[in-house]
Amino acid sequence: DAKTTQPTSMDCAEGRAANLPCNHSTISGNEYVYWYRQIHSQGPQYIIHGLKNNETNEMASLIITEDRKSSTLILPHATLRDTAVYYCIVRAGGGSARQLTFGSGTQLTVLP
Amino acid sequence: GAVVSQHPSWVICKSGTSVKIECRSLDFQATTMFWYRQFPKQSLMLMATSNEGSKATYEQGVEKDKFLINHASLTLSTLTVTSAHPEDSSFYICSVSRGGTEAFFGQGTRLTVV
Repeated sequence: DAKTTQPTSMDCAEGRAANLPCNHSTISGNEYVYWYRQIHSQGPQYIIHGLKNNETNEMASLIITEDRKSSTLILPHATLRDTAVYYCIVRAGGGSARQLTFGSGTQLTVLP
Repeated sequence: GAVVSQHPSWVICKSGTSVKIECRSLDFQATTMFWYRQFPKQSLMLMATSNEGSKATYEQGVEKDKFLINHASLTLSTLTVTSAHPEDSSFYICSVSRGGTEAFFGQGTRLTVV
């Protein structure tokens, strides 16, 4: 699985959009970009994933650059409950179940 | 998404005793489950892959005789920490995934060995 690079921490004002970047310059053609978050003392929560097109769901939007070497997770209206560590993970899709390799992630703190 | 239930949420045990953690996939049959461990202020590290009806596959550095994994059914995997020591105190998390799609995680088990 390709390696990802994320900022260690970010702050965001409540109600504003939180934009979390991720670099994955060595991503392969069959690898997806997944985003998870982990609120303190809980198991990780799936947010969104994509291959090359931008994706949106009820939680967030995922913007993937045309060359697929980086992506941005967007939380459109951050709330205090969005304070968590956000993990960007690159992994091949399809086939059998595979484990996820977690990096250090980005600690997002939403400020009141 | 899939619902994964992990039990207990937290446990305190004495050194030398064993502790069993259960992971249940509530809404689909999981032939494969994964067990992770997370120390304070660190990221999740994969410990082992639990395969239904066969032996688990352990990551390098994880003692299979200390961390016993049993995956006897398609909805239940258990992790038993045998002869626990204070250094085994950690946050243990299981996950399931449908094929190569997104993974879903249990709420985690905080183990404290005193």
